[in-house]
Amino acid sequence: EDKVVQSPLSLVVHEGDTVTLNCSYEVTNFRSLLWYKQEKKAPTFLFMLTSSGIEKKSGRLSSILDKKELFSILNITATQTGDSAVYLCAVEYRGGGADGLTFGKGTHLIIQP
Amino acid sequence: GAGVSQTPSNKVTEKGKYVELRCDPISGHTALYWYRQSLGQGPEFLIYFQGTGAADDSGLPNDRFFAVRPEGSVSTLKIQRTERGDSAVYLCASSLSGGITEAFFGQGTRLTVV
Repeated sequence: EDKVVQSPLSLVVHEGDTVTLNCSYEVTNFRSLLWYKQEKKAPTFLFMLTSSGIEKKSGRLSSILDKKELFSILNITATQTGDSAVYLCAVEYRGGGADGLTFGKGTHLIIQP
Repeated sequence: GAGVSQTPSNKVTEKGKYVELRCDPISGHTALYWYRQSLGQGPEFLIYFQGTGAADDSGLPNDRFFAVRPEGSVSTLKIQRTERGDSAVYLCASSLSGGITEAFFGQGTRLTVV
């Protein structure tokens, strides 16, 4: 059975700290790994990773994928209170009908002022 | 519309009742997905439409759940004889051509069955 495991499940840090969120996966017919930020309800897309070792970067956020060890990390530097959210990792797989996503449970990140 | 719109944003219903949840995708998006997110969990796939047809309904948990998209735009997720375990946020996403990685999510409908 396909699975995506995120850790930690929750994390509380102070503004300005750097955080690293982890995602490991076991998925048949892997195509890509995605990170989403979920505030309130709608997940919003952050990164899509398909190749090992190539860092994707957007401002204070960066992510990298290791397809040999089957994991990815999401780094956030100089955290701000607006970074507080649930961060979801999802793996895209090739299914019988269409490509799909298997999500992890998410990491609930709280940034304290 | 500018984004994926879901209505209602919140729905409270009694156990055993029938509910309909609506999703208005981004105009022109042919692919539409429904996901269900229970408290403390990630979203779980329910059904995927390409145009009017359900290309993959393997995620529907049982025959109480059904979804339609008769004209290839708006979709309705229907749940019969609701149970307390159906309480969750139901998310809809749409994409232009079918790639889930390019999909945009709506704000979801929070369903509470009491």
